Amino acid sequence: QKEVEQDPGPLSVPEGAIVSLNCTYSNSAFQYFMWYRQYSRKGPELLMYTYSSGNKEDGRFTAQVDKSSKYISLFIRDSQPSDSATYLCAMGDSSYKLIFGSGTRLLVRP
Amino acid sequence: DAGVIQSPRHEVTEMGQEVTLRCKPISGHDYLFWYRQTMMRGLELLIYFNNNVPIDDSGMPEDRFSAKMPNASFSTLKIQPSEPRDSAVYFCASSRRALYQETQYFGPGTRLLVL
Repeated sequence: QKEVEQDPGPLSVPEGAIVSLNCTYSNSAFQYFMWYRQYSRKGPELLMYTYSSGNKEDGRFTAQVDKSSKYISLFIRDSQPSDSATYLCAMGDSSYKLIFGSGTRLLVRP
Repeated sequence: DAGVIQSPRHEVTEMGQEVTLRCKPISGHDYLFWYRQTMMRGLELLIYFNNNVPIDDSGMPEDRFSAKMPNASFSTLKIQPSEPRDSAVYFCASSRRALYQETQYFGPGTRLLVL
């Protein structure tokens, strides 16, 4: 079993839809949770960072962490075609070693 | 700043050949990371350096892989001998500090195909 599980998609939604992306994990030592966005043929870039449990909002993006369920989510409101990318969840413990999910490919149709 | 620079961008080689991937981190960044990305395994950390010193190489798949950082502005990842299963996109990333909330800046990647 992988430490971090993520549905690979692809997920196709119409422009303006609310998108929900999720990851589950098995290592209870993870305290740091991130979402990276990767456009085609580019390197990943940090989108959201959350420490421990709770919610964090940044514009159209909301990250949620439920440590009791070992489950994290990223919500995108009013999705735009420019949001089309692969979204990678990532997690870490005190060792500063990022463990990535395999990524969910998102396509927002105009 | 030009960002993280990787070369070559594409590499096609035959099984058994030596492959050397190169990375120039962003100036002033003390941490350098090598990742490998495949469809099957996703993005995996291979090794990372702090101030040119390897800190964690537990992700290096086997002895065929080696990484060096002779100075603050240059790192190499070498595969010798290469095998078809090494085909992947290899990313180099750098960051100023070891803080998760600070992004690791990724290079454009090297697409390696081993025939």
